[in-house]
Amino acid sequence: GENVEQHPSTLSVQEGDSAVIKCTYSDSASNYFPWYKQELGKRPQLIIDIRSNVGEKKDQRIAVTLNKTAKHFSLHITETQPEDSAVYFCAVRAGGYQKVTFGIGTKLQVIP
Amino acid sequence: DVKVTQSSRYLVKRTGEKVFLECVQDMDHENMFWYRQDPGLGLRLIYFSYDVKMKEKGDIPEGYSVSREKKERFSLILESASTNQTSMYLCAVGASGSRNEQFFGPGTRLTVL
Repeated sequence: GENVEQHPSTLSVQEGDSAVIKCTYSDSASNYFPWYKQELGKRPQLIIDIRSNVGEKKDQRIAVTLNKTAKHFSLHITETQPEDSAVYFCAVRAGGYQKVTFGIGTKLQVIP
Repeated sequence: DVKVTQSSRYLVKRTGEKVFLECVQDMDHENMFWYRQDPGLGLRLIYFSYDVKMKEKGDIPEGYSVSREKKERFSLILESASTNQTSMYLCAVGASGSRNEQFFGPGTRLTVL
């Protein structure tokens, strides 16, 4: 099955700095790469996603880049704010029925 | 917005008990999923269903079963609960086709004593 590795497991940044979280996957047939944010005590929510026919996607302060050749993708958060503090999960889909495989998560702490 | 609800936020059971966790959605989405979330292990898929009475094993199905008799309802069953099944259980719902977002329920914190 799909193997997804996510780094780092924890990340601390100063408010206003950028944060980057990286994921690698194993199945070259993977075609959909979402990122979910889970705030403390809350449910995961989709924040951005990218499909295999696109190299980069931006939404305000967050962006995702995809390198299909190297089989890795990254989440970039610029101008971090305290409310960005959360656990971020990458995920990969290869095949139908929306089944995705999640990474282990990255706990991001933004220090005011 | 899709609303996903789970039958309990917190549940305490004893080893060997049969446990039912229920997930209900109020939209007409085909796909439903059960995950467990453990520190350092992320979200791991237990079972999913893409239609009524259809089910597929996820990555960690051992010790679990599921039931989907109606489109809006997906149940996770622990036939004989064990302490290593103490975890946070999350249900998720998603549509088929081009829309791929999964909508999660609030989670059930299960403790098996």
